[in-house]
Amino acid sequence: AQRVTQPEKLLSVFKGAPVELKCNYSYSGSPELFWYVQYSRQRLQLLLRHISRESIKGFTADLNKGETSFHLKKPFAQEEDSAMYYCALRGAGGTSYGKLTFGQGTILTVHP
Amino acid sequence: EADIYQTPRYLVIGTGKKITLECSQTMGHDKMYWYQQDPGMELHLIHYSYGVNSTEKGDLSSESTVSRIRTEHFPLTLESARPSHTSQYLCASSDLADSYNEQFFGPGTRLTVL
Repeated sequence: AQRVTQPEKLLSVFKGAPVELKCNYSYSGSPELFWYVQYSRQRLQLLLRHISRESIKGFTADLNKGETSFHLKKPFAQEEDSAMYYCALRGAGGTSYGKLTFGQGTILTVHP
Repeated sequence: EADIYQTPRYLVIGTGKKITLECSQTMGHDKMYWYQQDPGMELHLIHYSYGVNSTEKGDLSSESTVSRIRTEHFPLTLESARPSHTSQYLCASSDLADSYNEQFFGPGTRLTVL
C-alpha cells in the first residue's frame, strides 16, 4: 500500500525566512512524487514534480529514497506563498497505476 | 477554453434525497477522477475512470456511484443522501498520454446534507 505523510498541519514563517514543508512516503516500488498547491479561492493545481527536477516559484523538492522523503523548500518565503500544500505519490504499476495518493496537507502562512 | 466544470458549486439538501454532482471537462482527457475532501483534510480518491464505460472504485469506500457514457462527462450520484456524505467533492482529469499524469482539478462541489 502507498501512503503519504505530511507531519505539519500548520506552518508559519515570516517573509524572507526559509521554509521547508515536510513530506514522507511509503511505497514498495519506485515512486513518482508531486507537490500540489491550493491558493485561497483557487483550484488545486500542480506545483512541481520530482522527475522534472525543476524550480517553480522559487520552490524545489528533492526525492530522498533513503529517507523516503520529498520535502518542499524555498530559501526566502513570500506572502503570496501562503496556501495549502499537498504532497502526492503516484504508483507505478498494477492496480495503483496512475492513481495519486495525497498527504493530509500543510497550511503555510507567511507573515509580513 | 479548455477547463473542468463542476455543478453545483454548493448544495444543501435534506436526508434521503437523490443527488447528482456534475463534472464535465473540455480538456480532451481520457482519465477522470472523483475525490472527497473533508475541511482541512487530505483528498481521498473515491472513483476513477480511464475512458468511456470504464469506472473503478477508489481507495476510500463510498456509497456514491459514477458513470462514464461520454468522454467529457463523469457525474457522481448519491441515491439517498445522508449527513455523513457532507463533504467537498473534487473532480479531476488527466491525459492518458501524459506520462507524468498531471491532474487538473475542477472548482469543487461543497455538499451539505441536513
